Amino acid sequence: DAKTTQPNSMESNEEEPVHLPCNHSTISGTDYIHWYRQLPSQGPEYVIHGLTSNVNNRMASLAIAEDRKSSTLILHRATLRDAAVYYCILTRRDDSWGKLQFGAGTQVVVTP
Amino acid sequence: KAGVTQTPRYLIKTRGQQVTLSCSPISGHRSVSWYQQTPGQGLQFLFEYFSETQRNKGNFPGRFSGRQFSNSRSEMNVSTLELGDSALYLCASSSGLAGGIDTQYFGPGTRLTVL
Repeated sequence: DAKTTQPNSMESNEEEPVHLPCNHSTISGTDYIHWYRQLPSQGPEYVIHGLTSNVNNRMASLAIAEDRKSSTLILHRATLRDAAVYYCILTRRDDSWGKLQFGAGTQVVVTP
Repeated sequence: KAGVTQTPRYLIKTRGQQVTLSCSPISGHRSVSWYQQTPGQGLQFLFEYFSETQRNKGNFPGRFSGRQFSNSRSEMNVSTLELGDSALYLCASSSGLAGGIDTQYFGPGTRLTVL
């Protein structure tokens, strides 16, 4: 399985953008890039996913490098509620049914 | 739409006992996955059920088992509990129709403590 590498932690000030990097140098052409986050004392929640093109939704933006070996999750204006562990995960449509391979993730700390 | 519910939320057992955890998926979802979360190992996939059949399995011993009912509700059973089984057990539901790119919706988890 292709692996992802993320920084252990990142700090941000409230209302500033946060750019969370993820390296996936062994990604295959059929791997999708997913981001989930886990708020304290909660189960993980879906943030965004993409294949090749950049994606935007109400929570965040996902910027995917042209060679797809890295991606960046962008939180446009961090709030205290965005303090969580963010996981970058690769999956394939044809297998991995119901299976997400979580790494250690990036702990995001938001300072008022 | 109601989210994923898990019962009980907290559980204390002793070594050697067995335990059953329950998960009710989002209405209309046919896939239920189970995960174990510990401080040392992080989030690890246990297994996934779709339409009452186990479709995918992680690397856990046979003491960990599960099943899914016709209404998509799922139960997970751990027999002969060990201290190392103390963890947060999370279930997630999805449509089960988009393979590995299905969005998974997680419940709040069951905190199991083994004494």
